[in-house]
This record gives sequence, C-alpha cells and structure tokens, in this order.
Amino acid sequence: GESVGLHLPTLSVQEGDNSIINCAYSNSASDYFIWYKQESGKGPQFIIDIRSNMDKRQGQRVTVLLNKTVKHLSLQIAATQPGDSAVYFCAEMYSSASKIIFGSGTRLSIRP
Amino acid sequence: EAGVAQSPRYKIIEKRQSVAFWCNPISGHATLYWYQQILGQGPKLLIQFQNNGVVDDSQLPKDRFSAERLKGVDSTLKIQPAKLEDSAVYLCASGGLAGGVETQYFGPGTRLLVL
Repeated sequence: GESVGLHLPTLSVQEGDNSIINCAYSNSASDYFIWYKQESGKGPQFIIDIRSNMDKRQGQRVTVLLNKTVKHLSLQIAATQPGDSAVYFCAEMYSSASKIIFGSGTRLSIRP
Repeated sequence: EAGVAQSPRYKIIEKRQSVAFWCNPISGHATLYWYQQILGQGPKLLIQFQNNGVVDDSQLPKDRFSAERLKGVDSTLKIQPAKLEDSAVYLCASGGLAGGVETQYFGPGTRLLVL
C-alpha cells in the first residue's frame, strides 16, 4: 500500500548545529516530494519541494536530498535556530492528481 | 496576499452532536482540500474539490461527514453525529500552481474535541 514514513519521531539538536530529518517512502510512482513545517497551533507550512528527476535541491538554509534507489528523502537544516522548532512532515505526491500523502512527522527540538 | 481562513479555531462538543467548520481559500485558488489531523499524525485527506465539484472523497466517512463548496469559493465541512474518535484538527488547504505543480497552502485548522 501507500505509505510515507519517518525514521525518527523526535530529534533534539544543539542550536547552531545542522539538523537532518529523514523520511522513507514506499511508492516508486510518486514523482513529487514536499517537506512541510508545522508549528504548534498552525497548519503545515511549505518549506521545500523536489521532483523525482532531481536528487538535490537547495533553499535558504534548507536542502532536500532524494535517493530514489532506496526511496529515501532527507531534509537538512543548516545552523538550526530556535525558530526551527516544529514538527516536520515529508509528503509524497502524484503531481497529475494533486493528491498529497503525508508521513507521521518528526518533532525537532533545539537545545540552547 | 491573505491566507486560507478557517473558523472556528476551537470547538468542544459532546458525542452525537453536530458540528460545522468553515473555510475560505486563497482568492483565485480552484482547488480546496479538507484534511483530518489526529494528534501525533500527519494530515489525512478527507475530500478534494475542484471549483464546486468533488474530485476525491474516497476517505470521507460519508455516513457522518459531509462537505460542500456550492459556489466554488468557500466550503463547509459537517460532522453529524460526532464520535469520540473525531477529535482532531481539521485543516483546510487551497491549491495554486507554482512552477507547474500545484502547491497546497494550509489554514490554521479547527481543533475539535468530542467529549
């Protein structure tokens, strides 16, 4: 069946260090992947996306890596800040259908 | 640009009561989604609209949940009667094209507690 899962439910990092959040997906037909950030009491916020014809995409302080061979997705956050504290979801999408399937999330906490 | 608006933000009801949620999408977005997010889980799609037509409602428990988007703009989601397991955050999202792919923008959600 379809599933998007995350390796770790919680991640604690030192402020200023880099954070790496991992995600596994099961459907090789998915052609579009998205990372969302969800702060307490808010809806998910788009961070960065990547198409299946790419293996890396960089944004501001964030990088997404896609390894289609092992169906693995990761989000790297450089110089983690207190404002990065949130739950991070990876999601896969069938772009032709606009249907997103979310994973269960990783909570990122920042140690001062 | 205004974001997706939802109301109410919080609702507490007793089981077997009815409840309705309202969503106003981003202006010009044709696609509207309702998701259910149970605590500790990712959002699960309930229903997807394209303008005022339903595209996907395969995950909507139709015996108790209903949704409409009569004029192709704002939408309501109703639960009647509510069960304890319906306690969750109900998220509305609207979709707009960015780089050839539709990106979903989420509202703040309505947190429902069924007692």
